[in-house]
Amino acid sequence: NAGVTQTPKFQVLKTGQSMTLQCAQDMNHEYMSWYRQDPGMGLRLIHYSVGAGITDQGEVPNGYNVSRSTTEDFPLRLLSAAPSQTSVYFCASSRSTDTQYFGPGTRLTVL
Amino acid sequence: SQQGEEDPQALSIQEGENATMNCSYKTSINNLQWYRQNSGRGLVHLILIRSNEREKHSGRLRVTLDTSKKSSSLLITASRAADTASYFCATEDDSSYKLIFGSGTRLLVRP
Repeated sequence: NAGVTQTPKFQVLKTGQSMTLQCAQDMNHEYMSWYRQDPGMGLRLIHYSVGAGITDQGEVPNGYNVSRSTTEDFPLRLLSAAPSQTSVYFCASSRSTDTQYFGPGTRLTVL
Repeated sequence: SQQGEEDPQALSIQEGENATMNCSYKTSINNLQWYRQNSGRGLVHLILIRSNEREKHSGRLRVTLDTSKKSSSLLITASRAADTASYFCATEDDSSYKLIFGSGTRLLVRP
């Protein structure tokens, strides 16, 4: 099993650009979530999904969209990038809200 | 604001000593989890304790949970230099599927 994979590993955007961060898991997990981690800080929940077709907002959802058309994939879309969205983004999956398996992260810089 | 707050924010100890980290949270929970993060990498699950449990052990880890005080502690015994990392608590709110992380404790174990 590859576990949780995220692409790209690094990305630099200009203010106003849009992009999609990809997340995939091959463990048939129902629960997937996106977090952002700012320097020296903990993780903040952006959006999460409890199954295909079901998504909900976390702590900091503004500026981000998600969809869950399949069990395996949970992409995160930045609609119009802002410098405040410079962060490391982590995707995680689990069978429920028990043990979360994290991807390696995407380091995003918005200029 | 984040659900869990860890204390202390940073801890420096000598190899062989015990390390204790505390986590306080605000709402009723289903479970509380501890994770470890090495230097900007993804988080790794360490241990989960459910709301009806008071203490749990896993190897050199001991976790306690006091739901009346809304607090938990993580004890790492006989620490090693390889334990140097950031440690985060995360709580599953009992009214949603959200898993919310605290701000973390940075542990340095000096050889």
